[in-house]
Order: sequence, then C-alpha cells, then structure tokens
Amino acid sequence: GAVVSQHPSWVICKSGTSVKIECRSLDFQATTMFWYRQFPKQSLMLMATSNEGSKATYEQGVEKDKFLINHASLTLSTLTVTSAHPEDSSFYICSARWPRSEKLFFGSGTQLSVL
Amino acid sequence: GNSVTQMEGPVTLSEEAFLTINCTYTATGYPSLFWYVQYPGEGLQLLLKATKADDKGSNKGFEATYRKETTSFHLEKGSVQVSDSAVYFCALTDTNAGKSTFGDGTTLTVKP
Repeated sequence: GAVVSQHPSWVICKSGTSVKIECRSLDFQATTMFWYRQFPKQSLMLMATSNEGSKATYEQGVEKDKFLINHASLTLSTLTVTSAHPEDSSFYICSARWPRSEKLFFGSGTQLSVL
Repeated sequence: GNSVTQMEGPVTLSEEAFLTINCTYTATGYPSLFWYVQYPGEGLQLLLKATKADDKGSNKGFEATYRKETTSFHLEKGSVQVSDSAVYFCALTDTNAGKSTFGDGTTLTVKP
C-alpha cells in the first residue's frame, strides 16, 4: 500500500520552544492531509485539515496560532507546535488522502514530550 | 455531529476463538465506514471498508457489514491468530466534508 512518512517519531523539548513535525506521502500526491492528536487510550482527535496551496481548516477549539500547518507541496505537510507547553505533550498523527478517494494512509505518529 | 462508539476493551481471546468488536455510529447523511488496525509500534492501516448500506467489507479473514437500520458496522473474524493482536479503530467518513471520525479503539490480545 501507499506509504506516509512522519518525522520525527519522538521528540523531547523544553517549554517555550517550537517543534516541527513533517508528514510526507512517499509514493502519491496528497492534496489533502489531516493532523490528529491522540491521548493515551483515547481516540484520534482531528485537529485540522491541511489542503495543498491554501490555508488549513482547524477544528473548533484548536488554536491555529499555536499549531501552525503548512502544506506547501503535494507530498509534504508540516505541523509546528509553537511555544510548546507541557499540556501539549501528546501523540500527533498525520494522514494523507489518496487522490479522488476516501482512503487514508497514516503516518506512524510523533510522540511529543514537553518538559 | 458525527460520532462513533465502539466496544470497550481490552479484549483477550485464545487463538482460534471467534472475534466480534461492536461499532455503532451516528451521522448525518450517508457516511462511508472503515475499520483501521494499529499494530504495536506502527501507524494505523486500513483493514476494510464499506461505502453503502448492506455492503460487506472483508480483508485478512475480517468482515464487517454496513447496517443502516441499526447504524452498526461490527467487526468479526471466525478464528483469530496471535498476529491479530492490535488496536482496532472503527471510523466513518463524512463524504461531503471529507472528515473522518474515529471510535476510541479496542485493544485485542490473542493468546496462544
């Protein structure tokens, strides 16, 4: 199947710093990617929809100035957690939609720990 | 809004046992339904899907039927293996908005 690469797989940072997470579709072009947050033993919570060449659409309650999303090419979307705080510690997952399909392919996730 | 409710886990079975993981949904319109599987240390993978009422999705011995009348999409497998141990997520996709809603996940452990 299609491959979506997410990097880094884990990151530890100090409070107040910014962290960038990359999501790449390796063998297909994804005009739409999604970013989720997953708390332990809970479901994936959709944070935002990332559309290539346009602004991301954020879900209610998600701060767009804190979670910056850039989808500058058909194969790359990035999520930047700005001025991270301990409460931002979580598992972040991206997915990419196969063109003209509802099929989603997921990255392996990024565990963010903010000290 | 849309929601997905799936059977709470964890579920522990012996090898070759029958598996059912219940999933019900609430949605406006006619969503597509999915089961995803997350093996230890890996990302989510699509297991099977169904796009309309009475469709049956199947893959790797797993099956689920889109039941509009009961708004359900229960996952079944006749004989589980140790290698089926994973977390299973039921999900729906709003075909208009393109957004997916996930259940909380059910952890399955199969013992030899």
